[in-house]
Amino acid sequence: QSALTQPASVSGSPGQSITISCTGTSSDVGGYNYVSWYQQHPGKVPKFMIYDVSKRPSGVSNRFSGSKSGITASLTISGLQAEDEADYYCCSYAGNSTFVFGGGTKLTVL
Amino acid sequence: EVQLVESGGGLVQPGGSLRLSCEVSGFTFSRYWMSWVRQAPGKGLEWVANIKQDGSEKYHVDSVKGRFTISRDNAKNSLYLQMNSLRAEDTAVYYCARVNWGYHVFDIWGQGTMVTVSS
Repeated sequence: QSALTQPASVSGSPGQSITISCTGTSSDVGGYNYVSWYQQHPGKVPKFMIYDVSKRPSGVSNRFSGSKSGITASLTISGLQAEDEADYYCCSYAGNSTFVFGGGTKLTVL
Repeated sequence: EVQLVESGGGLVQPGGSLRLSCEVSGFTFSRYWMSWVRQAPGKGLEWVANIKQDGSEKYHVDSVKGRFTISRDNAKNSLYLQMNSLRAEDTAVYYCARVNWGYHVFDIWGQGTMVTVSS
């Protein structure tokens, strides 16, 4: 049950694209296609943006996309906007009805 | 309106106990798995525990096993977390969250309740 590994911070200018990686193990990210991504603005509650690796819930901009290769999942945000500045967390199902989160990545829009 | 309202947080000494509650409204509580997720100050999210709809299955993260117990009362639309033998590292905001197994996500969150373990 070790936390998934994410970069502490990423940054990009408005209009650019950024990618946040999330590395786990064969027992979590690599073992299931159940990776989700959460956005959390300061002082706010997390909101899920991507589920099942690459699916977007209704209401989430198509600028957000997800993918996975082996034990590493990725979140890409294209056409960066100021409102995207937030903390992002990956989360993976880890078997036996348990979950594990990543350490979080702070996105700064320059 | 869907609402999850946590309560019971506060300041407690190391080794002490606390019971968190989460009162749910706006959806059929008894149909869903529920979870507790915590976030230490300035830190990331950590899944703490899950409980099945009827309470027959419970799962806890290794770091709290033997100290914390998740439970629920479907008649009261309420989720609980009994926390014993508290440590400084348990200091965090504790969120209750609904598990959506169709999406494998925590799709609805409460606002959280702060637990501070300090002497």
